[in-house]
This record gives sequence, structure tokens and C-alpha cells, in this order.
Amino acid sequence: NAGVMQNPRHLVRRRGQEARLRCSPMKGHSHVYWYRQLPEEGLKFMVYLQKENIIDESGMPKERFSAEFPKEGPSILRIQQVVRGDSAAYFCASSLLRDSYGYTFGSGTRLTVV
Amino acid sequence: GQQLNQSPQSMFIQEGEDVSMNCTSSSIFNTWLWYKQDPGEGPVLLIALYKAGELTSNGRLTAQFGITRKDSFLNISASIPSDVGIYFCAGSKTQGGSEKLVFGKGMKLTVNP
Repeated sequence: NAGVMQNPRHLVRRRGQEARLRCSPMKGHSHVYWYRQLPEEGLKFMVYLQKENIIDESGMPKERFSAEFPKEGPSILRIQQVVRGDSAAYFCASSLLRDSYGYTFGSGTRLTVV
Repeated sequence: GQQLNQSPQSMFIQEGEDVSMNCTSSSIFNTWLWYKQDPGEGPVLLIALYKAGELTSNGRLTAQFGITRKDSFLNISASIPSDVGIYFCAGSKTQGGSEKLVFGKGMKLTVNP
């Protein structure tokens, strides 16, 4: 009965490289959410996806960031041409239904851009 | 972006003491939630509140959803060393066609044995 699995746990990228963060939701969960946490801050909403659909991407930066949740496989958060300001912890959560209290968060991916 | 005002930012207490923290917002939320985050981990849900005025307990934790729906508090009684961590409040609201969480900045709790 695995929880939300995120990998890698830690990711180091040089400026200008691409970062790909993966999230496998809990079994049976079809709703996936991505949040970003800067040091000493709370989490901030980025994007909400259901299988094959982006429902709400109002928290995503307009450039360089994209997310997908294909029919098969994990959800992917992709950051192109990373900059130092992208360094943060990225958390994925999943839920069975479309409601917030059912969120289960993963352990996060800590991205460091050098 | 919108954020909740969470206070205090940190607390240092002795084992066995009680601790209170609260969260306020200028806007109304449908649901208030309290999370705990351990170092290197994701937030774990402690308590969820769904109705204005609701008072809910979970073991040594007690939380209330303010009448105005713009605030909430969390109490931890008889603290123990494993209570150490960062506590976040979060408000849930429907915005842009989906329900999303808005988080406070967190309260770092240190418990001295």
C-alpha cells in the first residue's frame, strides 16, 4: 500500500539544464497536484492534473515549466533551462476525489541548481 | 500570491508544556487544514476542519475553524519530543475551477526534553 512516490529525492542541475521530476500517485488516485516550497516558506500551488488533462495550471510560471499526467506512467513536472531561483522542494500530492482534504503528499524532490 | 498569516513563526518549549498557534486570512476558506512537516519529508495532514465554528480533536491536538471562516488555531497539549517539526496551516478554496490549498509560512516547534 505505497503512498505517493516521488523521484528522485534530490536532483542537482547546472544552470541551463533540464529537470524532470516524477510522481507516482497512490493506487487508484487519478488527481495529482504539484506544489513548490521555497526555503523557509509554505507550499505554493503550481498545477492540478487528472489523467491526460491539465485542469488548473494557474500557479505555473508561464515559461520553462510544464506538467503532464499521461494515461500510463507517472506525472512529470518538467523545468527547462533551469535557473538558480528554481532551487526548491517540489511536492506532489494525489487524491481519490476532487477535494483538498483527501490530499496525500509525497516526500518531495529537492532541486538544487548550481 | 495569497498567503495565510501564521503565528508565531517559531516556539521553543519544554516537554510537557502546551503550545498554541494560529492562522489568519483576509479571505474566506471552505476548509482549514493543519499539517506537520518533518525535515526532508512532505507535509502530513493532522486535522481537517469543514464548518465555521467547528472544534475538532485528534489525540493531543485540538483545532478550531473560526466563525468568520478567516482564521483557525491549533493547540498541542502535553508536548513530547516527537512533536518537533514545522506546522503549517492551509486553507482550501475553489478558485479558477479547482480547489487548491493556500499555505501559511509555518511554525517551527522545538521541544526540549
